[in-house]
Amino acid sequence: GQQLNQSPQSMFIQEGEDVSMNCTSSSIFNTWLWYKQDPGEGPVLLIALYKAGELTSNGRLTAQFGITRKDSFLNISASIPSDVGIYFCAGRWGSGGGADGLTFGKGTHLIIQP
Amino acid sequence: DTGVSQNPRHKITKRGQNVTFRCDPISEHNRLYWYRQTLGQGPEFLTYFQNEAQLEKSRLLSDRFSAERPKGSFSTLEIQRTEQGDSAMYLCASSSTASGANVLTFGAGSRLTVL
Repeated sequence: GQQLNQSPQSMFIQEGEDVSMNCTSSSIFNTWLWYKQDPGEGPVLLIALYKAGELTSNGRLTAQFGITRKDSFLNISASIPSDVGIYFCAGRWGSGGGADGLTFGKGTHLIIQP
Repeated sequence: DTGVSQNPRHKITKRGQNVTFRCDPISEHNRLYWYRQTLGQGPEFLTYFQNEAQLEKSRLLSDRFSAERPKGSFSTLEIQRTEQGDSAMYLCASSSTASGANVLTFGAGSRLTVL
């Protein structure tokens, strides 16, 4: 099946720093999604990307869908303590739903030191 | 709408027992998904429904796992004869095909511990 390689596995940063994480795949995806998961909770959608080359922002978060459709990155600017959590990329190769239910990366664990 | 609701949030059981988890999706969502998440991993797709029809179940981990959505609203995931390896977080998600984007909204999950 499709594999997503997400890096880095963890990040230790100072409050106020910018953060960058990425996701790569050997397969093409038609949709890239970025989720954040807090301990004991389900993933919450941050940004959805639907077109190759698309660059989308959500507040301090910016994500891009790679031109090759095999990668995506997520940037967080001016990190704050509530940004702590695990960030997952997820890809879908089909047009929606079904067997092309999302494939998730293993996550990037973000830890912020005040 | 209160989002996707899952019950129970935590379940501790002894090996060999059967367990059932319930998911109530967002009311206007026609698709419902089940995922499993183990420690340090991302969610792993198990199965999904469109209305009451189960359209994909080949990813269910074994024949001990089954899911239903009898009236196209809530869904249940049952694990029979539980094993210690079944310990995980079981996540439910729902989506609507009406918007075309089919973005999944997840519940908070049901954590299973098999002793």
